[in-house]
Amino acid sequence: DAGVIQSPRHEVTEMGQEVTLRCKPISGHDYLFWYRQTMMRGLELLIYFNNNVPIDDSGMPEDRFSAKMPNASFSTLKIQPSEPRDSAVYFCASSLPWTTSNTGELFFGEGSRLTVL
Amino acid sequence: LAKTTQPISMDSYEGQEVNITCSHNNIATNDYITWYQQFPSQGPRFIIQGYKTKVTNEVASLFIPADRKSSTLSLPRVSLSDTAVYYCLVGPRGTGGYQKVTFGTGTKLQVIP
Repeated sequence: DAGVIQSPRHEVTEMGQEVTLRCKPISGHDYLFWYRQTMMRGLELLIYFNNNVPIDDSGMPEDRFSAKMPNASFSTLKIQPSEPRDSAVYFCASSLPWTTSNTGELFFGEGSRLTVL
Repeated sequence: LAKTTQPISMDSYEGQEVNITCSHNNIATNDYITWYQQFPSQGPRFIIQGYKTKVTNEVASLFIPADRKSSTLSLPRVSLSDTAVYYCLVGPRGTGGYQKVTFGTGTKLQVIP
């Protein structure tokens, strides 16, 4: 398997523009997570999905952020309008359910580095 | 969620065994301990998970004392490629079947030639 695939790897945009980050989870994984990493706040969980359904979005910073998972193989994280403080590395991760025979480990993509000018 | 405390940074020479200790005094009965590794410009990667006593895999060992208020990740004979940030996570299995955890700031391990 190719692992979790994210695009774009780098995005530079101007304040006020819409940004869409994309993620393809590992095939067969039931869970998909979006994280944001900054120097100041570390790695924060934004939202996670189970079987394409958003379960917990309490980490989404504000209404400018939205995430969707239209099918099992694709998810998007959208920021509209973007602001300089949204500059960060955004990671997508997927996992299998945590069972007695599986640790539920998170498989992360390589991240999308967003710079908002 | 249990609060974890781990050293901000550590240095080690190549070939040495490295032990990174994580304190989690308020760990709950149903909490598990999981360690991740993150290289620069990459996402974190799972290393090991345990509940009590000792767990060993091909990469590392995890030592958990009987009171479970701390845990130690042991990396045998580190090399330069082990330079990374190591995160200690403590949390229960969530109702959705995943481990509900929060990543802290981690321990930045620098391996010196």
